[in-house]
Amino acid sequence: GQNIDQPTEMTATEGAIVQINCTYQTSGFNGLFWYQQHAGEAPTFLSYNVLDGLEEKGRFSSFLSRSKGYSYLLLKELQMKDSASYLCAVSPLYGNKLVFGAGTILRVKS
Amino acid sequence: DAMVIQNPRYQVTQFGKPVTLSCSQTLNHNVMYWYQQKSSQAPKLLFHYYDKDFNNEADTPDNFQSRRPNTSFCFLDIRSPGLGDAAMYLCATSTGGGTDTQYFGPGTRLTVL
Repeated sequence: GQNIDQPTEMTATEGAIVQINCTYQTSGFNGLFWYQQHAGEAPTFLSYNVLDGLEEKGRFSSFLSRSKGYSYLLLKELQMKDSASYLCAVSPLYGNKLVFGAGTILRVKS
Repeated sequence: DAMVIQNPRYQVTQFGKPVTLSCSQTLNHNVMYWYQQKSSQAPKLLFHYYDKDFNNEADTPDNFQSRRPNTSFCFLDIRSPGLGDAAMYLCATSTGGGTDTQYFGPGTRLTVL
């Protein structure tokens, strides 16, 4: 199975850069996804990585290293509205599904 | 706009009283998923449909059932809700592929009294 680990909580300052890490133990997967979830709302898709390297999307970037079993989400120029839970998820090789980590609650302070 | 719709957004039921949650989509996606998410926990996949093919997760209790009468609609039936079933229930869709993005509905918050 997949074991996905993320820090439980992080705090950062408005305007700063924050990196949210995700480590996983799995023998293989199709891709790694990042979702944002505001309290009481549904997860919304941010990015995904299939190959190793950095994928950039505006203020958000995601990095994957398959050999190290490691991904991170980088948020730049933090805004108060970025306060949310950030979920890392892997897509197993078999079955059309995602396995989620418990999420990292990010608190942005002014 | 194409979207995933869940009704109701908030549902209150009594212990043991059957309840049905609904999900519809205008994305024409092949796959529809039901997740259960409890506070501060990861969304947990209950089951999914690929077209009409039903795929149950091994640890999904028998108390949870699902129906997909057509491409657009999928229902989650909880036959005898217990206090431990209080959670947010999320419906999601995808076209069906290993690296395919899942799109989530707004969720239904279930309270069991």
